[in-house]
Amino acid sequence: GNSVTQMEGPVTLSEEAFLTINCTYTATGYPSLFWYVQYPGEGLQLLLKATKADDKGSNKGFEATYRKETTSFHLEKGSVQVSDSAVYFCALSTSGGKFQFGAGTQVVVTP
Amino acid sequence: DADVTQTPRNRITKTGKRIMLECSQTKGHDRMYWYRQDPGLGLRLIYYSFDVKDINKGEISDGYSVSRQAQAKFSLSLESAIPNQTALYFCATSGDSYNEQFFGPGTRLTVL
Repeated sequence: GNSVTQMEGPVTLSEEAFLTINCTYTATGYPSLFWYVQYPGEGLQLLLKATKADDKGSNKGFEATYRKETTSFHLEKGSVQVSDSAVYFCALSTSGGKFQFGAGTQVVVTP
Repeated sequence: DADVTQTPRNRITKTGKRIMLECSQTKGHDRMYWYRQDPGLGLRLIYYSFDVKDINKGEISDGYSVSRQAQAKFSLSLESAIPNQTALYFCATSGDSYNEQFFGPGTRLTVL
């Protein structure tokens, strides 16, 4: 079956540091890939997405590239802010219409 | 106004009680989903529905049931709540298989 594996947290960083969260997946067919962010006390909201190989999704300084050869979709941001503290989820969807989420990675950014 | 709403936002109940969580959406999507979130486990799919007449079990449907009353409404019921159903529950909608899901704000359920 389909699955998503992402690095465990918490990841603790200082403000302006570089952030990488690794995400790898297994799926049949050609999935769409997503990163969602969950701020404390809120639901998940889409951060970025990519629907085919080599696509790069980007938003709010975050970016991730759909790498079919390594089945990866790593999230990066060059300079994090305290306001980026949240839980980040990698996810995929396939033609069957079901989404598969990773376990989530908590990111804590300190001033 | 929010596109996906959930009621109640918080609920504390006792073992054995029947509980209904409600979800409404104004996005006009056919597909609706119920997930539960537990620390360290991410989101796990309970039930999903691709239209009003379509109901499907997810990976953890035991102990839960759903009702799709209309395109815009999808309710989750716990017929006899037990403590290990204490979790954060999310409703989500999507327009198709390849685009994103839109989430409600969640319902925090505590079963004592």
